[in-house]
Amino acid sequence: DIVVTQTPLSLSVTPGQPASISCKSSQSLLDSDGMTYLHWYLQKPGLPPQLLIYEVSKRVSGVPDRFSGSGSGTDFTLKISRVEAEDVGIYYCMQTIQPTFGPGTKVDIK
Amino acid sequence: QVQPVQSGAEVKKPGSSVKVSCRASGGTFSSYAISWVRQAPGQGLEWMGGIIPNYGTTNYAQKFQGRVTITADESATTIYMELRSLRSDDTAVYYCARDRRRQWLVISPKYYGMDAWGQGTTVTVSS
Repeated sequence: DIVVTQTPLSLSVTPGQPASISCKSSQSLLDSDGMTYLHWYLQKPGLPPQLLIYEVSKRVSGVPDRFSGSGSGTDFTLKISRVEAEDVGIYYCMQTIQPTFGPGTKVDIK
Repeated sequence: QVQPVQSGAEVKKPGSSVKVSCRASGGTFSSYAISWVRQAPGQGLEWMGGIIPNYGTTNYAQKFQGRVTITADESATTIYMELRSLRSDDTAVYYCARDRRRQWLVISPKYYGMDAWGQGTTVTVSS
């Protein structure tokens, strides 16, 4: 099985400051079709998860451009350029070569 | 956009089975992969398996192989997830979610990011 880890597991951020979450997988997520199957979700309290970024760096329509994804192979990063109060929740990376989620990173506001 | 709508909460005894449905509101799921994801209380997300309704092709997480079955009705409007031999640690919120990209004539579903989620179904397993 592909194991996905995230760091940190929790993050407290001052509004307007940047935040960064790392996601690492035990195997490369670059498939033979040339696509990299790594996606980011945000789950706000009491709600289902929502897709923020797919295939490493492609933002879903409507997601603010302060969210960006990068990385390749086994190492990936989600960055929030300036955290806002509405960004609180748990961020999950997910690989879909053999689908599994990371453990999640809880983001709250200082 | 087609929105998944799930069946209501269930309370089950250990050893029994549960079948949760996921209906496409406003259309059909057709060639979109549908996944089932669960979340135990206070825990993270766990992918259980998925199906492409038009073809009935499925794949499952190894952890659930043999205990879960995902099916679709002929119209690709409703997806079902049946979990058998329930235990107390199956108590969770179960979500269905639609993938963002259609697939055709695939042997096994691929998953490109789930962009439409059902509201969740709480399954409680208790004696």
